[in-house]
Amino acid sequence: DQQVKQNSPSLSVQEGRISILNCDYTNSMFDYFLWYKKYPAEGPTFLISISSIKDKNEDGRFTVFLNKSAKHLSLHIVPSQPGDSAVYFCAGSSGTYKYIFGTGTRLKVLA
Amino acid sequence: DADVTQTPRNRITKTGKRIMLECSQTKGHDRMYWYRQDPGLGLRLIYYSFDVKDINKGEISDGYSVSRQAQAKFSLSLESAIPNQTALYFCATSARDKSSYEQYFGPGTRLTVT
Repeated sequence: DQQVKQNSPSLSVQEGRISILNCDYTNSMFDYFLWYKKYPAEGPTFLISISSIKDKNEDGRFTVFLNKSAKHLSLHIVPSQPGDSAVYFCAGSSGTYKYIFGTGTRLKVLA
Repeated sequence: DADVTQTPRNRITKTGKRIMLECSQTKGHDRMYWYRQDPGLGLRLIYYSFDVKDINKGEISDGYSVSRQAQAKFSLSLESAIPNQTALYFCATSARDKSSYEQYFGPGTRLTVT
């Protein structure tokens, strides 16, 4: 049972446009969500997070939206830059400091 | 210097061999984790440790064992490697502080079992 799903394995966006990466989850006990970015030959790096008591968190060009009723979260990147090209993972946690990761979405930002 | 280091970075081994992957951290974090990444499957948790005396199985612990030698060191062992353990392995750490869920990852070990 895959508790965190990223149904789009890849996404291409023009530089300067908005990138929207989606993530769905099934575990209603998740109370914290994180997004990580991964470049080739490197470990994932933390990007942004959101608590289940919020529906939006913003950090510069990155905004995460949470829709608890739909068990859906999305990461918006505006404006997209070529350096944003990477694999993005979402992850959920149920307060136990264990994290369940999605399968990742490969974002390609075209110059 | 990197906060979370993994050795080796790449390893090719034969079926049936024992292999150990090592992880060290200088972040002073109590919690340490081992994940594997496979194409199309994302990151899956193998084992995690919340302190030196606390070891827990993750989603896919069969065929693996771990040792938490010190707060800063967490090793993953494959007692008898098999080809389907070919993957990218990541170590991660996180702080005990309840205000932060962020994990810090090492650069990964690419393991190939032939």
